[in-house]
Amino acid sequence: DTGVSQDPRHKITKRGQNVTFRCDPISEHNRLYWYRQTLGQGPEFLTYFQNEAQLEKSRLLSDRFSAERPKGSFSTLEIQRTEQGDSAMYLCASNFHRAGYTFGSGTRLTVV
Amino acid sequence: QQQVKQSPQSLIVQKGGIPIINCAYENTAFDYFPWYQQFPGKGPALLIAIRPDVSEKKEGRFTISFNKSAKQFSLHIMDSQPGDSATYFCAASTETSGSRLTFGEGTQLTVNP
Repeated sequence: DTGVSQDPRHKITKRGQNVTFRCDPISEHNRLYWYRQTLGQGPEFLTYFQNEAQLEKSRLLSDRFSAERPKGSFSTLEIQRTEQGDSAMYLCASNFHRAGYTFGSGTRLTVV
Repeated sequence: QQQVKQSPQSLIVQKGGIPIINCAYENTAFDYFPWYQQFPGKGPALLIAIRPDVSEKKEGRFTISFNKSAKQFSLHIMDSQPGDSATYFCAASTETSGSRLTFGEGTQLTVNP
């Protein structure tokens, strides 16, 4: 493992389409997080998993967003019926218990 | 409600200078305070972190100063270099939040040669 991998790096989609992003965390990390970052702002928490259990979702997360982490390994984040306001960098991070996070390089989503 | 306030928004220093970035928090339950460095097109990378039982922590050229009573903490970069030019974010979390981080707004640092 060399770090947290995210795929794709860039995604351009038309408004109303569904998109799915993938995150592969560092293998020994039991916690996985999704954040969203818009230009000039700090990352904003979306959701996190401990192993395969999704333990918290941000109240800011609409029901068009869903995340999974089957078998406690990789995770996917799906956005249904995308809107222009969903355009952002989607960051995945992982850690073990309370150790520092390792972030991936993110997926930049542009909704046109 | 913005729980971690960061200042300044941008900062320009000469090579060798000591930029200082400040953060203030509201939630007294926060018990972990990391700083992240982010370059364009990359995810944030952990620089240094502190817990409230100490007032200062140094790692290389980076120092965190922590003032629990004032609910403030700051990052000092000694002997700054052009390669330190990046955006810096402070953050805070509590164990009960599952290590969910609340980030500041970021400081864009430019170190001129």
